[in-house]
Amino acid sequence: DAGVIQSPRHEVTEMGQEVTLRCKPISGHNSLFWYRQTMMRGLELLIYFNNNVPIDDSGMPEDRFSAKMPNASFSTLKIQPSEPRDSAVYFCASSNTRGKMNTEAFFGQGTRLTVV
Amino acid sequence: KNEVEQSPQNLTAQEGEFITINCSYSVGISALHWLQQHPGGGIVSLFMLSSGKKKHGRLIATINIQEKHSSLHITASHPRDSAVYICAVRSYNTDKLIFGTGTRLQVFP
Repeated sequence: DAGVIQSPRHEVTEMGQEVTLRCKPISGHNSLFWYRQTMMRGLELLIYFNNNVPIDDSGMPEDRFSAKMPNASFSTLKIQPSEPRDSAVYFCASSNTRGKMNTEAFFGQGTRLTVV
Repeated sequence: KNEVEQSPQNLTAQEGEFITINCSYSVGISALHWLQQHPGGGIVSLFMLSSGKKKHGRLIATINIQEKHSSLHITASHPRDSAVYICAVRSYNTDKLIFGTGTRLQVFP
């Protein structure tokens, strides 16, 4: 298995532009997580999907952030409009929970976003 | 006070040394994770624990639910173990994953 695949690995964009981050979870996993990592705040959970349905988006910082999971093999995290303070590494992770929450999550390599 | 505290924040060691990283938490949990973040940024899940002890190669993780404490041990450390080690707990009440701030480990040859 190729693991969780994120794209792009690096993104540099100008303030105000729309940014879309992509994630392909491990085949067969039914839960998908988006995290953000910054020096100041460490790792934070942004949103969690279970069976393609958003379960908890309380970590999404504001309305500029949105996430979708149109099917079991693909998810996007969109920032519109982007701001310099959105600069961070964004990680996607997937797991196979099948109704249980305490299962191991597998992380993608992350997308390093720089907003200038 | 953070709900998940790790110590030490930074750790240096000579190759071959036995290393211990500690994690204390203040919430009820359903599971505890140890993650490793490589210098390149990638994150690997090392362990998921809800009780007792687990071992993978030179890595050992233990958890004491009553004391709300977990340790990650590395035996015969090697420079390739240099990374940031992150403790994360899943809150029993909210189901949210709460992260520690990480321990930066450097192992010198």
